[in-house]
Amino acid sequence: AQSVAQPEDQVNVAEGNPLTVKCTYSVSGNPYLFWYVQYPNRGLQFLLKYITGDNLVKGSYGFEAEFNKSQTSFHLKKPSALVSDSALYFCAVRLPYGQNFVFGPGTRLSALP
Amino acid sequence: DAGVTQSPTHLIKTRGQQVTLRCSPKSGHDTVSWYQQALGQGPQFIFQYYEEEERQRGNFPDRFSGHQFPNYSSELNVNALLLGDSALYLCASSFRRGANEQFFGPGTRLTVL
Repeated sequence: AQSVAQPEDQVNVAEGNPLTVKCTYSVSGNPYLFWYVQYPNRGLQFLLKYITGDNLVKGSYGFEAEFNKSQTSFHLKKPSALVSDSALYFCAVRLPYGQNFVFGPGTRLSALP
Repeated sequence: DAGVTQSPTHLIKTRGQQVTLRCSPKSGHDTVSWYQQALGQGPQFIFQYYEEEERQRGNFPDRFSGHQFPNYSSELNVNALLLGDSALYLCASSFRRGANEQFFGPGTRLTVL
């Protein structure tokens, strides 16, 4: 069965500092990997995805993610955090032959001024 | 171009009642998926519709049913509501083919009393 872990419930970072939100997954095969962000009382917004190719993927709002196949990880990063980055972040996987996404439990990011 | 829209925004029902939630996909998308997001958790996949048929289903009871119309819009029906059905219900649309991300609507907040 597919599963996604986000080991940190909460990540605190000072504005201007780099941020990392961690994600590991357990699936068979080569999954597609995604990051979404959710602001209060809103739906999920797509940030970036990894399908194949370069392990470093660049996405929206200055975010990037690094795929590591040996560690089955897909950590979200940003070189310099903004207060407006404070939100709930979800990692998700999808198998190439499937259509549904499996989401992690989410990590709440707080970027403080 | 309107994104994914959902109605209603909020809904309050009592145990045992039935509810219908509605979703219009992003223009051009042919596939609609429904997710349940309980408070403090990641979205859980309910089912997916393509070409007016349920194509994939998550671990939800038969009380949860759906429909897709020829214009690709979709409904989620829940019968015999339980207190545990209280959640944010998210609709997501995508293209069926390819490694495509899903675009999410703002959700319907269902409260069961």
